[in-house]
Amino acid sequence: QSVLTQPPSVSGAPGQQVTIACNVTTSNIGATSDVHWYQQLPGTAPNLLIYRNTHRPSGVPARFSASRSATSASLAITGLQADDEADYYCQSYDSSLNAWVFGGGTKLTVL
Amino acid sequence: QVHLVESGGKVVQPGGSLRLSCAASGFTFSTHGMHWVRQAPGRGLEWVAFIRDDGSKTFYADFVKGRFTVSRDNSKSTLFLQMDSLRPDDTALFYCARYSSGYPFDLWGQGTLVTVSS
Repeated sequence: QSVLTQPPSVSGAPGQQVTIACNVTTSNIGATSDVHWYQQLPGTAPNLLIYRNTHRPSGVPARFSASRSATSASLAITGLQADDEADYYCQSYDSSLNAWVFGGGTKLTVL
Repeated sequence: QVHLVESGGKVVQPGGSLRLSCAASGFTFSTHGMHWVRQAPGRGLEWVAFIRDDGSKTFYADFVKGRFTVSRDNSKSTLFLQMDSLRPDDTALFYCARYSSGYPFDLWGQGTLVTVSS
């Protein structure tokens, strides 16, 4: 069981917005710890989607945005497209264990 | 272009050993820490190990401590993962990933498949 808890699945129709939550369940990941997000398209390696809580790497559309609060983070995808279907993972760092941790992943289905 | 290419994955018996490699190109390998991450079939991502840019420090997930060893050869821009005492639940696609300050996993390889089965 990961210390970053994500819903197993979310879905939305094309053009709609979905939000994926990432809840921090350990005090070892403090409010100032960065959360990052990765997109894994079917059959491919993960790809950095959001870094340092809210920042998009070059090439990531503005439809993807994220936020961070003291005990959680969330990824929002607006204007859903069919090729957004993927698994999405949040990730942070457990400073007490010196371990990088991933959430369990959320499968996005575009209806 | 920047690339990471893993190799070395294969079918191995329980209790066996395997050495994975990750060849880097297109960037200055010696200035980046490197990770190994695994993904069991149909499951999520699981961090395995990290090594600093100069190889001076390593960190491991609890489930591999004492069994896996991460190392690197900066002269050959290559990362390694020595895996001993392999178990069936180590069966996974193993990815190497680059660490950059502020970007923990900013570049990924395509993965190499390790299957532990008799």
